[in-house]
Amino acid sequence: GDSVTQMEGPVTLSEEAFLTINCTYTATGYPSLFWYVQYPGEGLQLLLKATKADDKGSNKGFEATYRKETTSFHLEKGSVQVSDSAVYFCALSDSRSSASKIIFGSGTRLSIRP
Amino acid sequence: DGGITQSPKYLFRKEGQNVTLSCEQNLNHDAMYWYRQDPGQGLRLIYYSQIVNDFQKGDIAEGYSVSREKKESFPLTVTSAQKNPTAFYLCGAGNSGNTIYFGEGSWLTVV
Repeated sequence: GDSVTQMEGPVTLSEEAFLTINCTYTATGYPSLFWYVQYPGEGLQLLLKATKADDKGSNKGFEATYRKETTSFHLEKGSVQVSDSAVYFCALSDSRSSASKIIFGSGTRLSIRP
Repeated sequence: DGGITQSPKYLFRKEGQNVTLSCEQNLNHDAMYWYRQDPGQGLRLIYYSQIVNDFQKGDIAEGYSVSREKKESFPLTVTSAQKNPTAFYLCGAGNSGNTIYFGEGSWLTVV
């Protein structure tokens, strides 16, 4: 079945460092891909998404490109801030379904040092 | 997020007791979802519903029940059959084929 694999955390960086969180997927169809962010004690917020190959999703300085050839959707940010400390989830949704179930990766905890 | 309201935020359940978590949305989305998150882990799908009066089991439906009598509402009942219910529960809503938006979540603890 469809699945998502993302790099294990925790990831600890200094403020203004470059961030990459790797995400790869397995899917039989043509999924939409997402990054969600979860701040401590809160629900999930959609960070960005891409619905087809070569699309780039971006938001709040984060970006990720849908790479069909490598089945990847890596999250990047050029200069992280302390406020970016959170858990990040990569996810996919099979857009062929009338009610898409989203399949989540296991999450990557990011901690940014001042 | 935004138009999805979950309540209560914190709930305590005694052994053998059924409890119901509320989820209401004003986004006019057709589909609604319940996920469970255990500490330090990812999300697992409990139930989902595509339309009113219809719902399907997810990966971990045992010990849970749902109803979808109105488009706006998708309550989740955690029954006494769920042996390890302590977790963070997330409700979501989405339109067909695309993004799910989530509420703020509910913490359930067995006492």
